[in-house]
Amino acid sequence: QVQLVESGGGVVQPGRSLRLSCAASGFIFSNYGMHWVRQAPGKGLEWVAVISHDGSDKYYAGSVKGRFTISRDNSKNTLYLQMNSLRVEDTAVYYCAKDRKPAMDYWGQGTLVTVSS
Amino acid sequence: DIVMTQSPDSLAVSLGERATINCKSSQNVLYSSDNKIYLAWYQQKPGQPPKLLIYWASTRESGVPDRFTGSGSGTDFTLTISSLQAEDVAVYYCQQYYSTPFAFGQGTKLEIK
Repeated sequence: QVQLVESGGGVVQPGRSLRLSCAASGFIFSNYGMHWVRQAPGKGLEWVAVISHDGSDKYYAGSVKGRFTISRDNSKNTLYLQMNSLRVEDTAVYYCAKDRKPAMDYWGQGTLVTVSS
Repeated sequence: DIVMTQSPDSLAVSLGERATINCKSSQNVLYSSDNKIYLAWYQQKPGQPPKLLIYWASTRESGVPDRFTGSGSGTDFTLTISSLQAEDVAVYYCQQYYSTPFAFGQGTKLEIK
């Protein structure tokens, strides 16, 4: 069965960096695009970024463009989100999700990132 | 960027009654090249990640009960739950997959009356 397990969340000060990971299993990881979606406490879903199956194409939300970088290692079945210059407003649960156009068919349980001084 | 707007923000419906959630996109999300609507619906229960319910605006995901129906065209879409069950209490989101950024609606909270 498909499993997506996020890790790397925690408490970080504004301006610092954090890298999230998403370990995938139960499907051929290298065949699918992958997304990051976040949800601030008590708020709705915000799409963050997507990467193509081979890592050649990447797209970002305007709110994170230039600060966040999505990447993947298909040999390790792992998706990453490098988050730099973190802001208080980046505080959220970050989900990774498997792409199956035109939707995201499997989601992880999420990892909480708290940006606070 | 395409903006997705849902209505209402919250909704209370009696068990066994119909629930209707609306979603409006600021631009057409129908791709003329394949004649498909790039619109999905998700259900999120408290403390859980979202679950895919509907894609292509009206195709039910495998395992989703047939009381859930997606419809609409152009820029106006609807998720209908024909007979509300207690387990349907959740927040529902629409999402466009037509172009990045793949925006979600703000969510509609569905409760039991």
